[in-house]
Amino acid sequence: QKEVEQDPGPLSVPEGAIVSLNCTYSNSAFQYFMWYRQYSRKGPELLMYTYSSGNKEDGRFTAQVDKSSKYISLFIRDSQPSDSATYLCAMSKTGANNLFFGTGTRLTVIP
Amino acid sequence: GAVVSQHPSRVICKSGTSVKIECRSLDFQATTMFWYRQFPKQSLMLMATSNEGSKATYEQGVEKDKFLINHASLTLSTLTVTSAHPEDSSFYICSARERGIQPQHFGDGTRLSIL
Repeated sequence: QKEVEQDPGPLSVPEGAIVSLNCTYSNSAFQYFMWYRQYSRKGPELLMYTYSSGNKEDGRFTAQVDKSSKYISLFIRDSQPSDSATYLCAMSKTGANNLFFGTGTRLTVIP
Repeated sequence: GAVVSQHPSRVICKSGTSVKIECRSLDFQATTMFWYRQFPKQSLMLMATSNEGSKATYEQGVEKDKFLINHASLTLSTLTVTSAHPEDSSFYICSARERGIQPQHFGDGTRLSIL
C-alpha cells in the first residue's frame, strides 16, 4: 500500500465549477500537508501549506485536513481554464526532510 | 518570494557526456536542497537531500557516483550526471527549503535527453 493515495483522474470540469481534489494517507505521523500545482514541463508550484487538522483559505483555494480520517482535500472555487494543471498533494512528518507525494490529479477546466 | 531557479531547462547530449544542472534559491537562503526525478505521468521521486557544506544523503537505489551533488553555498546546489546514458533521460527537478519546517519550493526542472 502506498503511503499517499491520490486519484490520477483525469478530471474535466466546466469553467466556473467547484473542483474537489482529494488524497488519503496511511501514516498518522504526517503533520504537514501541502498542495502543489504543476503545469506541463514545469516544476511544482506551492499552493497551500497547512499544519495538522483544519481548514485554510487563500483566494479561490481552500485546503482541508482531517487527520482522524487521514484525508486531505483541496477545493477550487470558480475554476478557470488557467487552473488546468496537475495537482499534487504532499505531506511530511514533523521535522523530516522527505515529502511523500501523491501521484497527482490532472485537471482540465473547459471554457 | 521563495523563488528557485534551475538551469539549464533543457539538455540534449550524446551518451557518455557528463551534465551539470544548477539550482539556485534567489531570494532566500536554502539550508537544505533536494533533487528529484520525474518520469512521464508519474510523481516526483526523491533522489537525494543536500545540506549546505555537508555530503548529500542519497535515497536507496540512487548511485552517488553517478549523480554527484554539491551544495557549496546557501543559495546554490549542483547535480552532475556523470557519463550519462539514455536510461538517465528524465525530468530532473530541484527544490529548496529555508529552514526546518518551511515548505519546499521547486525549480522549473531540467529535461535531460541522452542520445
